[in-house]
Amino acid sequence: AQSVAQPEDQVNVAEGNPLTVKCTYSVSGNPYLFWYVQYPNRGLQFLLKYITGDNLVKGSYGFEAEFNKSQTSFHLKKPSALVSDSALYFCAVRDPMYSGGGADGLTFGKGTHLIIQP
Amino acid sequence: NAGVTQTPKFRILKIGQSMTLQCAQDMNHNYMYWYRQDPGMGLKLIYYSVGAGITDKGEVPNGYNVSRSTTEDFPLRLELAAPSQTSVYFCASSYRGGPTDTQYFGPGTRLTVL
Repeated sequence: AQSVAQPEDQVNVAEGNPLTVKCTYSVSGNPYLFWYVQYPNRGLQFLLKYITGDNLVKGSYGFEAEFNKSQTSFHLKKPSALVSDSALYFCAVRDPMYSGGGADGLTFGKGTHLIIQP
Repeated sequence: NAGVTQTPKFRILKIGQSMTLQCAQDMNHNYMYWYRQDPGMGLKLIYYSVGAGITDKGEVPNGYNVSRSTTEDFPLRLELAAPSQTSVYFCASSYRGGPTDTQYFGPGTRLTVL
């Protein structure tokens, strides 16, 4: 079975400081990893994904994520946080070997609230 | 493109009532999905469809039904609403549904069952 964990319910960062939102995963094969962001009363918006290749993936709004196979992690990062980055962030994983749960459905983490303080 | 649209945005139901949550996409995507989002629980897959006329259960299908008569539309039906179905419902779509494909989400429907 595939699973993903976001160990922090909330992350607080001062504006202008670097931010990291943590994500670890468990799959039986090579993972496909995704980050989504959800602003209040809005749907999920795709940020970035890792499929293969370079371990550092760049995405929308200046975000990037680093895939670390040995640590089974896919942490989301940004060099300089903005107040407008405040939102709920979801990490998701898809195991190409996974055959249950419907199609090639994503398994989502519980989400991390990111709060950027002015 | 409007992307993925959902109606209504909000709804309050009484126990035992029924309703249909509407979802439409204009991206010509083959795959469509329904998720529910409970506080602190992430998203759970309810049903999905790989194309018109084909649907299948996800992780939490009990109490729901779906149909897919066209590529564009994927309504979710609640027959006998229960308080446990209070949640935010998201519809999503992807082009081929392949493992590397990105899913695109609608804005959600917030449902309360009293």
